[in-house]
Amino acid sequence: SQTIHQWPATLVQPVGSPLSLECTVEGTSNPNLYWYRQAAGRGLQLLFYSVGIGQISSEVPQNLSASRPQDRQFILSSKKLLLSDSGFYLCACQAMNTEAFFGQGTRLTVV
Amino acid sequence: DQQVKQNSPSLSVQEGRISILNCDYTNSMFDYFLWYKKYPAEGPTFLISISSIKDKNEDGRFTVFLNKSAKHLSLHIVPSQPGDSAVYFCAASADGAGSYQLTFGKGTKLSVIP
Repeated sequence: SQTIHQWPATLVQPVGSPLSLECTVEGTSNPNLYWYRQAAGRGLQLLFYSVGIGQISSEVPQNLSASRPQDRQFILSSKKLLLSDSGFYLCACQAMNTEAFFGQGTRLTVV
Repeated sequence: DQQVKQNSPSLSVQEGRISILNCDYTNSMFDYFLWYKKYPAEGPTFLISISSIKDKNEDGRFTVFLNKSAKHLSLHIVPSQPGDSAVYFCAASADGAGSYQLTFGKGTKLSVIP
């Protein structure tokens, strides 16, 4: 079965600082990988998805970027965080013809 | 433009009674619908899904109903239990079960009162 490791669980960062959130997946090969953000009152918003190594699609313009250096590794980054980047970030994995499976999330607070 | 709408941000139900969570969508291309359940500080977990070729899918205490003509689906939980208290997200896709294009609603917070 699929397992998603997402870290850290919580993070407090000052405005203007960089960000790197990492997600790794076990138990499946060549999955689709996603980064979602849950912000207050805004539900789950898809930020990025990847169907393979080095293949990243962005859903919304923002201060963030994503990379997939390995098949089961997905990284969310920012060079300079904004206050509006605060939220709950979720990595998700989806194998062929299965539902998306979410990690435990990272609570990011930008101060 | 919100394509998946959960118009009730919260719902309170007595333990043992039925919980009905509603979801409306606007995109007629959606053909697969899912419900996720989320506890605070955790990732959402998949609960139940339904394909547009069906109008009902049941799994234990959970049943999802789909009314395509009304572009409406609902999740019924019977009987409701305190452990069901969580935020429930409705999601939809236009590419079937394996789609990577899931559109989520804003969620409904269910509180089951003992």
